[in-house]
Amino acid sequence: DVKVTQSSRYLVKRTGEKVFLECVQDMDHENMFWYRQDPGLGLRLIYFSYDVKMKEKGDIPEGYSVSREKKERFSLILESASTNQTSMYLCASTAGGRLNTEAFFGQGTRLTVV
Amino acid sequence: QQQVKQSPQSLIVQKGGISIINCAYENTAFDYFPWYQQFPGKGPALLIAIRPDVSEKKEGRFTISFNKSAKQFSLHIMDSQPGDSATYFCAASIRRGKLIFGQGTELSVKP
Repeated sequence: DVKVTQSSRYLVKRTGEKVFLECVQDMDHENMFWYRQDPGLGLRLIYFSYDVKMKEKGDIPEGYSVSREKKERFSLILESASTNQTSMYLCASTAGGRLNTEAFFGQGTRLTVV
Repeated sequence: QQQVKQSPQSLIVQKGGISIINCAYENTAFDYFPWYQQFPGKGPALLIAIRPDVSEKKEGRFTISFNKSAKQFSLHIMDSQPGDSATYFCAASIRRGKLIFGQGTELSVKP
């Protein structure tokens, strides 16, 4: 059974804290993605990575950074958490290659910044 | 900038009825159009997907209709069941899994 695992289901952090969201996949996928999900806005891409130590900005990268030191692990970092970053965060992965293939999602991390 | 527009935001259907969700896109370079289903507390999961070289794809009760000239595609759920109650997202992609999602539709199927 393929899996994308996010380290926390729920997190509560204070404004200004540095926050780490961890994601691990066991499918040997090349591509990994971080999205945030907000009601009425769907899923919006924050950052993505096509290879180890490689990263690209998505549509809403401001206030976030990422790290991919190993193929199976992709971390999202909120350098200084703010209340407008309260959201559901979803990690996903896809296999490599030219054609688009199925994205597998983790169960999500609901982050509340107070 | 939202490149995929989805409607309606919410939908209530009677058991046995047909659920229809519509999406429109702007970028003609998109070459992959999946639909994802999300249950509360879970991440989205692929339901069905289509590529622009076909106009329709059917898997069981789920059908994607694709109109390339109109830049629109839709999901039809036949014989809708209470277990289909979930949030549905359309999406589009140009390359390597980078998905642009619609806003989502919350479907409720009443018994």
